[in-house]
Amino acid sequence: EVQLVESGGGLVKPGGSLRLSCAASGFSFTYYNMHWVRQAPGKGLEWVSSISSSGSYIYYAASVRGRFTVSRDNAKKSLFLQMSSLKVDDTGVYYCARESAAAGAEYWGRGTLVTVSP
Amino acid sequence: QTVVTQESSLSVSPGGTVTLTCGLTSDSVSPNYYPCWYQQTPGQPPRTLIYSTSTRSSGVPDRFSGSILGNKAALTIAGAEADDESDYYCVLFMGAGIWMFGGGTKLTVL
Repeated sequence: EVQLVESGGGLVKPGGSLRLSCAASGFSFTYYNMHWVRQAPGKGLEWVSSISSSGSYIYYAASVRGRFTVSRDNAKKSLFLQMSSLKVDDTGVYYCARESAAAGAEYWGRGTLVTVSP
Repeated sequence: QTVVTQESSLSVSPGGTVTLTCGLTSDSVSPNYYPCWYQQTPGQPPRTLIYSTSTRSSGVPDRFSGSILGNKAALTIAGAEADDESDYYCVLFMGAGIWMFGGGTKLTVL
């Protein structure tokens, strides 16, 4: 069974940093592209970042480019999101997702809450 | 600025059929955009229904189907049930590794 478990969320002040982790199990992590998607309170889903299976290709939404860094450790079956220069607008639940066999996120974790507040 | 468009809200009667659409302000949606559809209820993570236009995710009943209708991607729900009352999101691949979600459709079953 595919399982994705996010951790690392919490309360941080504007301008601060936070590192999210996503532990994967139940599939061959090395073979799949991974995504981060977030959801502000009461709002819709927003794609944040993607990383290819090898880590060679990395993409970001314009809203986070230059502030967030995605990475992965295939040996530890883990995905990371280093967030810096955080803004109040970055508040929300951050989901880790595995790509499908074709394209697009298919399996989702339960998310971790990030709150950016003075 | 390209925007992915979805109906803000729709309603369907129990047992009825409803079609949700996913469009672009600046282009026609084609399979090259790899449209995906997700269902979400409050407090829960998204559940994948459809990826790559029309492929159902594991365990999704066949009353959920994805297609291209005209210049939009479409999610059709047949035989609507009370549990289908949820928010539905589409996402499109915009190229250069970028994905963009629509604003979501709130579906009411009544």
